[in-house]
Amino acid sequence: QVTLKESGPVLVRPAETLTLTCTVSGFSLTNGRLGVGWFRQPPGKALEWLVHIFGNDATSENPSLRSRLTISKDTSKSQVVLTMTNLDHTDTGTYYCVRVREEWDDQYYYFMDVWGRGTTVTVSS
Amino acid sequence: QSVLTQPPSTSAAPGQRVIISCSGGHSNIRSNAVSWYQQLPETAPKLLIYHNNQRPSGVPDRFSGSKSGTSASLAISGLQSDDEADYYCATWDDSLNGPMFGGGTKLTVL
Repeated sequence: QVTLKESGPVLVRPAETLTLTCTVSGFSLTNGRLGVGWFRQPPGKALEWLVHIFGNDATSENPSLRSRLTISKDTSKSQVVLTMTNLDHTDTGTYYCVRVREEWDDQYYYFMDVWGRGTTVTVSS
Repeated sequence: QSVLTQPPSTSAAPGQRVIISCSGGHSNIRSNAVSWYQQLPETAPKLLIYHNNQRPSGVPDRFSGSKSGTSASLAISGLQSDDEADYYCATWDDSLNGPMFGGGTKLTVL
């Protein structure tokens, strides 16, 4: 059974750095066609992709947030870590750790097949 | 504002069929496969459709997806009360070099 579980602080002060950890089970973080992504959802709003890392260590970040994001993985611990710097109130929301898959055929296939339950982060002083 | 456009809301009676549209462009839907997600209230999203029209195991065949050109759609037939949720389309965008979501459609079962 594939599972992902997010952990991290519930409350972060403005301008501080957020560190979230995703602990996975049921699949390998070294599988090239599989990756782990971080997504978020502000209260009452749509989903937004932040960053992902694939089994071959390839990473990609949302250009609008690139300067603030870092993603890394520790395969020995089956963990993927997200770091986001200089938080403000617009970063408040639920953060999801998600398994992503990519495939190629006549087109590029990228989809999110297993989601963690999410962790709510509030940015407030 | 999402580049993938979905109607904010839709509604239908139990047993009826509803179609949710997702409109994009050349750099996203036209070039890459579309997936759909169901988000029940206060829960994480769940994969409903991938590869434009494939259902993961466990998803009822009442849910179907299709894609044509720069648009995609999700059809739900035989509506049930527990289908009431937010539905999101998603696809890779070549300009973003990452995935993007539609703004979501809230389905109300009357």
